Amino acid sequence: LAKTTQPISMDSYEGQEVNITCSHNNIATNDYITWYQQFPSQGPRFIIQGYKTKVTNEVASLFIPADRKSSTLSLPRVSLSDTAVYYCLVGDKRDSSASKIIFGSGTRLSIRP
Amino acid sequence: DADVTQTPRNRITKTGKRIMLECSQTKGHDRMYWYRQDPGLGLRLIYYSFDVKDINKGEISDGYSVSRQAQAKFSLSLESAIPNQTALYFCATSDAGQGDEQFFGPGTRLTVL
Repeated sequence: LAKTTQPISMDSYEGQEVNITCSHNNIATNDYITWYQQFPSQGPRFIIQGYKTKVTNEVASLFIPADRKSSTLSLPRVSLSDTAVYYCLVGDKRDSSASKIIFGSGTRLSIRP
Repeated sequence: DADVTQTPRNRITKTGKRIMLECSQTKGHDRMYWYRQDPGLGLRLIYYSFDVKDINKGEISDGYSVSRQAQAKFSLSLESAIPNQTALYFCATSDAGQGDEQFFGPGTRLTVL
């Protein structure tokens, strides 16, 4: 199973850059790395996905080193509204891999004024 | 209108009752999923379906059953509800496999007394 390890919680302040690192030592060749954000009592929301190197969108950046055994989600200039739980997942997009993706407990990010 | 909808949003029931949670999507995706989330924990996969004729058990299928009535509809049933099935239930869809971006519904909060 593609298991990930990420910090249980992190604290930061408004305006800071936040980096959340995820470890996935047994990532497979066809696995992509995906990050989701979840607010209380809401469904997770896709943030970003990548396979290697760097991916950037309007919300975040995702840094993936060459060995792909870890990844870092970078949130620039966070605000109070970024307080949420962030999940790192690794998994194949092929149907044959379904049920092998695990949503761990995620990282609870708290942003303070 | 939301792409993935769930009904009901909240439900309180008694032990032994049969409960059905419904999910509808307008994204045109073939792949649909049911997850369960307990307080402070990540999501666990209950069942998934790759198309109308395909149903598969996930990590925690015992005590649950599903029905894929159409491409757009995927229902989860608790044949005889028990208190430890009290949880937040999410439906999700994806275009490709589970490792692709998943779109989640707003969730159903189920309480079994």
